Amino acid sequence: AQSVTQLGSHVSVSEGALVLLRCNYSSSVPPYLFWYVQYPNQGLQLLLKYTTGATLVKGINGFEAEFKKSETSFHLTKPSAHMSDAAEYFCAAQTGGFKTIFGAGTRLFVKA
Amino acid sequence: DADVTQTPRNRITKTGKRIMLECSQTKGHDRMYWYRQDPGLGLRLIYYSFDVKDINKGEISDGYSVSRQAQAKFSLSLESAIPNQTALYFCATSAPFRAGGNEQFFGPGTRLTVL
Repeated sequence: AQSVTQLGSHVSVSEGALVLLRCNYSSSVPPYLFWYVQYPNQGLQLLLKYTTGATLVKGINGFEAEFKKSETSFHLTKPSAHMSDAAEYFCAAQTGGFKTIFGAGTRLFVKA
Repeated sequence: DADVTQTPRNRITKTGKRIMLECSQTKGHDRMYWYRQDPGLGLRLIYYSFDVKDINKGEISDGYSVSRQAQAKFSLSLESAIPNQTALYFCATSAPFRAGGNEQFFGPGTRLTVL
């Protein structure tokens, strides 16, 4: 069965430091992969997605993610964290046309 | 105006009560979904609908029912609420599947507490 694993339920970084949020998926076929962000008291919104083609995907707010098929990973990075990046981040995988499996989420804390 | 709206935003109810959560969308999407979010578990699919006449159970449908009143409206009901249904509930929409994958668009959520 397909699954999505996010390593670390909480990640804390200092403002200006590198952000790295880890995501691994298990699937018999490479799925479409997404990162969503959830700010307090809001729904999820799309940060970026990988479908086919270039394995390094750029999203909004300076985030990017790299699809590595050999490692079944889709880690999210941002070179320099900002206070406004504090939120919960969800990795998700989609196969079969509609079914989306979400990871458990990683809450990012940014220290001043 | 928000593309996907949910009412109410917060609700406290008692065990055994019937509760309805409503979702409306202006995105023109045929596909609509109901998820619940619990800490440490991510989002789990309750029900989904591909159009007004096509409703399907998700992975955790027990204790829930849905109604698709129109393309734009999709309601979730808890027939007899129980405390372990306390959670954050999200409605989402998406366009029909295409080769590029399908982003989902989420409402702001309904925080439900069952006492």
